[in-house]
Amino acid sequence: DAMVIQNPRYQVTQFGKPVTLSCSQTLNHNVMYWYQQKSSQAPKLLFHYYDKDFNNEADTPDNFQSRRPNTSFCFLDIRSPGLGDAAMYLCATSRDPGTSGTYEQYFGPGTRLTVT
Amino acid sequence: SQQGEEDPQALSIQEGENATMNCSYKTSINNLQWYRQNSGRGLVHLILIRSNEREKHSGRLRVTLDTSKKSSSLLITASRAADTASYFCATTSGGSYIPTFGRGTSLIVHP
Repeated sequence: DAMVIQNPRYQVTQFGKPVTLSCSQTLNHNVMYWYQQKSSQAPKLLFHYYDKDFNNEADTPDNFQSRRPNTSFCFLDIRSPGLGDAAMYLCATSRDPGTSGTYEQYFGPGTRLTVT
Repeated sequence: SQQGEEDPQALSIQEGENATMNCSYKTSINNLQWYRQNSGRGLVHLILIRSNEREKHSGRLRVTLDTSKKSSSLLITASRAADTASYFCATTSGGSYIPTFGRGTSLIVHP
């Protein structure tokens, strides 16, 4: 089935040790998003790609970086994780609403990041 | 900043009862979406309602939109234990296609 896949589902890293989370999609959607979600809070958009164009949210810390080597894959790099970065990280995709007329986002199952 | 705010924050009901969740927003919108999130999982799209629509149905779900009050409601009829989840509204405004999510309503349906 076409879907959004995130690996790993659970990631434990040490304070200050770089970590990479991955996302892949078989939907061939041109827009991909990374969200951070803490307990009982709204998903917070970190950045998104429109094709290869990278769009960073103004309040996303420099500690967070992203790469999208091709349509299918997108990575979230946390260069020096702090305790406050422990959260669920959600990847999502969508079609270009300008051509599809739809705005629905398709989410992966998330990666739960623990920082020790 | 968040656009939508869900109310109530938590809702606990018995199986078979109806569940109503509300979403209020501050600025004019293009459309409003409702998503469900099961514990520890990603969000799943439920329904989208456009600013020129007043009501939409999908199975046991009914969504209304009142643009004059800047509010929307999600009604789940004849709830089931499997409906236990968090429900988020998300709005898009202006020229943006990026939805802004509210904090969500946590729904517990007791069998």
